[in-house]
Amino acid sequence: QSVPTQPPSASGTPGQRVTISCSGSSSNIGSNYVYWYQQLPGTAPKLLIYRNNQRPSGVPDRFSGSKSGTSASLAISGLRSEDEADYYCATWDDSLSGPVFGGGTQLTVL
Amino acid sequence: QVQLMQSGAEVKKPGASVKVSCKASGYTFTSYFMHWVRQAPGQGLEWMGIINPSGGSTSYAQKFQGRVTMTRDTSTSTVYMELSSLRSEDTAVYYCARSVEMTLHGDYWGQGTLVTVSP
Repeated sequence: QSVPTQPPSASGTPGQRVTISCSGSSSNIGSNYVYWYQQLPGTAPKLLIYRNNQRPSGVPDRFSGSKSGTSASLAISGLRSEDEADYYCATWDDSLSGPVFGGGTQLTVL
Repeated sequence: QVQLMQSGAEVKKPGASVKVSCKASGYTFTSYFMHWVRQAPGQGLEWMGIINPSGGSTSYAQKFQGRVTMTRDTSTSTVYMELSSLRSEDTAVYYCARSVEMTLHGDYWGQGTLVTVSP
């Protein structure tokens, strides 16, 4: 199986648009929904995006998700200092018969 | 409002077991699945398993099969995660997360419980 792969780090300056990728396989991202989480230091993860591109109420529209084939992306526009956090993608894996997380991406706002 | 309140930090010796609780409030307990996810210090998130509070059915990640047991008590709206044969690598923060489906649609999370395994 192929656990979703994320870049370990990403960075941007305030106001910039950044994207974080999540690359998987036909058994996970290719055939299932993708979810994105934000984890601020010392806190529990927070759901940012569900079912590829849906935002829970309360999540700013600066955050958007997309999926194409076996890859997904999280985009953050109008970057703010408070966006500095770890970001995780998650999806179901048919070969594992269970959910899997990507390795996480640490976003730094310069 | 929806709340998931987890039990306090634990310190255990290698070979022991730990049981972490997650008390739900503010919604119909049996209408949502509950995932357990852990995070070792400085590491990423790791899915451990899921329980359906309605009937008590469970599904565990292969890595934890035989060592983890998830149960629920509908009278107190509480789910439990017990991990046995603890080793140092099990030192982590353990989270419960509510989900409307079996996927990781975790819309509410507990605050986390730190389990430290140390001689």
